[in-house]
Amino acid sequence: AQKITQTQPGMFVQEKEAVTLDCTYDTSDPSYGLFWYKQPSSGEMIFLIYQGSYDQQNATEGRYSLNFQKARKSANLVISASQLGDSAMYFCAMREDSGGSNYKLTFGKGTLLTVNP
Amino acid sequence: DGGITQSPKYLFRKEGQNVTLSCEQNLNHDAMYWYRQDPGQGLRLIYYSQIVNDFQKGDIAEGYSVSREKKESFPLTVTSAQKNPTAFYLCATSAIPDFNTEAFFGQGTRLTVV
Repeated sequence: AQKITQTQPGMFVQEKEAVTLDCTYDTSDPSYGLFWYKQPSSGEMIFLIYQGSYDQQNATEGRYSLNFQKARKSANLVISASQLGDSAMYFCAMREDSGGSNYKLTFGKGTLLTVNP
Repeated sequence: DGGITQSPKYLFRKEGQNVTLSCEQNLNHDAMYWYRQDPGQGLRLIYYSQIVNDFQKGDIAEGYSVSREKKESFPLTVTSAQKNPTAFYLCATSAIPDFNTEAFFGQGTRLTVV
């Protein structure tokens, strides 16, 4: 079964508008972390934001915020005031505690965001 | 400069040849990872190491080998046993292997086997 599911292969947004990128996850571990990365066309992976399973508040980093709904196992990324430079692939990822022995980072298949002028 | 260096950026090899991808870090991070990225597939874990002289297979380890003789270095060898080696390879590190620690990535190596 997929651990991380990103159901939107592609998304379009107008410059200066907000956009939500969906991510659902599957785990039975009580301790886990959720991450979002941005991958521009150059290929490097840029860390954007982190949400821990025990965090009571949604994470925010500048124009990025994470809409964390633990019961629904969703961790959607919200980008406010989109800019042309936000056009990129976005990946949701998860790390599980797994008894303290395996901390691999599992990725979804990504969403390609295009910001239109 | 602190960071993760992958070399080379582009690599071409003939089918049947082994090839080694370099990953060096000066971040003093304990954990290092190798991922493979194919179009539409996201990133898949090949191997990871949480400490020097120790490493574990990831989800797609067949046809690959690694070593971790130094904390700074985690080279990946793509062997002739790998059926479809053409892909984008990313090396990553984490300060400690923990569920709440982000991973940092190198620039990647694009391998093309002809």
